[in-house]
Amino acid sequence: AQKITQTQPGMFVQEKEAVTLDCTYDTSDQSYGLFWYKQPSSGEMIFLIYQGSYDEQNATEGRYSLNFQKARKSANLVISASQLGDSAMYFCAMRGDNTGNQFYFGTGTSLTVIP
Amino acid sequence: DGGITQSPKYLFRKEGQNVTLSCEQNLNHDAMYWYRQDPGQGLRLIYYSQIVNDFQKGDIAEGYSVSREKKESFPLTVTSAQKNPTAFYLCASAFPGQDRQQYFGPGTRLTVT
Repeated sequence: AQKITQTQPGMFVQEKEAVTLDCTYDTSDQSYGLFWYKQPSSGEMIFLIYQGSYDEQNATEGRYSLNFQKARKSANLVISASQLGDSAMYFCAMRGDNTGNQFYFGTGTSLTVIP
Repeated sequence: DGGITQSPKYLFRKEGQNVTLSCEQNLNHDAMYWYRQDPGQGLRLIYYSQIVNDFQKGDIAEGYSVSREKKESFPLTVTSAQKNPTAFYLCASAFPGQDRQQYFGPGTRLTVT
């Protein structure tokens, strides 16, 4: 069975500081992808970053980086230099090679950036 | 511009009525998905389709129905059998492959009174 766990329902960070949002996963697939999405209050889902299970380097996209620790089955999102516009829900998701095109989402973390 | 459209953005219905939510994509994606999101909650999969004329139930399919007659379109009908239909509904699509992200529509907020 595939499962994504996000244990932080809510997080606060001071503007310009870095913040780490936790994500652990469980899968029996050998090959899989990990994704992070941002959902502002408007409801749209914005793709942030992708990490493949066989990628040796951690993915980075601008201020977003993914701290991938395969042995620990964790894929934490790091946001550097937080901005007020980063306040949103953040979802971790996984897609495996044997899951028939399904995506599995965590319950999300609500991030609030404090001025 | 390529993307996914969902209409309408807000929808109001009386209890006991069926309602159909539209989802159209011009990204040439094979797979399409419907999710339900309740306030402060994550996404729950209702139905998904990997190819035309084929679809599979997700975790919460009861009270919902779908069709996939065209690659571009994946409408969701919320039937009167759905006990708590008021929610935010998101449609998504993707290419096959575990390295391919999902693209989401803007969502439809359904209120049933």
